[in-house]
Amino acid sequence: EVELVEAGGGLVQPGGSLRLSCAASGFTFSSHSMNWVRQAPGKGLEWVSYISSHSHSTHYADSVEGRFTISRDNAKNSLYLQLDNLRAEDTAVYYCARKGIGQDFDIWGQGTLVTVSS
Amino acid sequence: SYVLTQPSSVSVAPGQTATITCGGNKIGSKSVPWYRQRPGLAPVLVVSADGDRPSGIPERFSASNSENTATLTISRVEAGDEADYYCQVWDSSSDHWVFGGGTKLTVL
Repeated sequence: EVELVEAGGGLVQPGGSLRLSCAASGFTFSSHSMNWVRQAPGKGLEWVSYISSHSHSTHYADSVEGRFTISRDNAKNSLYLQLDNLRAEDTAVYYCARKGIGQDFDIWGQGTLVTVSS
Repeated sequence: SYVLTQPSSVSVAPGQTATITCGGNKIGSKSVPWYRQRPGLAPVLVVSADGDRPSGIPERFSASNSENTATLTISRVEAGDEADYYCQVWDSSSDHWVFGGGTKLTVL
């Protein structure tokens, strides 16, 4: 079964850091680009970051550029998101999502909640 | 940056057809996938960027795209279709993905 499982969310103070992980199984992880998407409480989806299959290319939403870092370890079938200098507005459920053959996200994880509060 | 505009809500009676629009500048030249998100769950791809339905998505779901509006059509709406629906595009000018604001589909 194709599956993505996120972990690492939690409560962190403003200015703090957190590292999210996403474990992939059931498919050839190294063949797919990956993304992080977040959803603030009661709000819509917001794309956060992209990484190509072998980490040659990364992109970030303007709202997180310079504060978040996406990475992957194909040997461990894992995707990561390092969140630094966190702000209250970063509070959200963070989903990892596999990029499909086209310009879409065909597989999503269940999400992990990040709460930034003092 | 590229903006996608969706109606905040659409209501439809069971058995009728629901139409959810997604407006964007020259969106007709882009591939537009659609996602369904039921309460408390992760989004699910219901129409791919190529306009196909992934495995497990019923034929009642279809999409079209023209000029400045993309449309998701759900035929013979059922209670289980009640959810939030999102459109998405890849903005090549900024190397960013963009989501519409989402449309809450209510089955009356």
